[in-house]
Amino acid sequence: GAVVSQHPSRVICKSGTSVKIECRSLDFQATTMFWYRQFPKKSLMLMATSNEGSKATYEQGVEKDKFLINHASLTLSTLTVTSAHPEDSSFYICSAGGLAGDQDTQYFGPGTRLTVL
Amino acid sequence: QKEVEQDPGPLSVPEGAIVSLNCTYSNSAFQYFMWYRQYSRKGPELLMYTYSSGNKEDGRFTAQVDKSSKYISLFIRDSQPSDSATYLCAMSVRKGGSEKLVFGKGTKLTVNP
Repeated sequence: GAVVSQHPSRVICKSGTSVKIECRSLDFQATTMFWYRQFPKKSLMLMATSNEGSKATYEQGVEKDKFLINHASLTLSTLTVTSAHPEDSSFYICSAGGLAGDQDTQYFGPGTRLTVL
Repeated sequence: QKEVEQDPGPLSVPEGAIVSLNCTYSNSAFQYFMWYRQYSRKGPELLMYTYSSGNKEDGRFTAQVDKSSKYISLFIRDSQPSDSATYLCAMSVRKGGSEKLVFGKGTKLTVNP
């Protein structure tokens, strides 16, 4: 149990384009989903928290108009990087929070590596 | 001072060694403590989840929490090359998957055959 998928696993795009990343909890309902960004040899940086049907809560310094988050259902959240630029290249990881088995905690997706040329 | 401090390493040990990974924290409100393992270019995988002070064992892994010292540890016995990964400690104030986690930087471990 507690499987979280992300799609795509890797994406390369041109500067100025928008990229959508999907995060799905496959075998449990996620009350909350989190989006993180991770730079090489750095820890996870929380970008935003989203609850199903509500607007996402963004961390300080994260541009909400650039990183659009939609949490349409208890099993799906999407992150759209709008007008991507090379500095947006990073490893984006989602996590889904909920009760899976006997643990009510966060379960992470495999990550999406974004490269903006 | 950062909320959670973790030595990034790298840590290199021979196969079969006992590995000790540690984190300290400054916020006494943290009550729930987790250890995640992250392989290169993958998402973190939950290894251990603890609440109270003391030890929790799961196979070759033992998680230790000392709230009085604000110090947590993860011990790996009989380490294997497959244990080579980055280990992240994480903690939260309240219980549950909806709570924000505060992560350490991660310690990169290499177990040499």
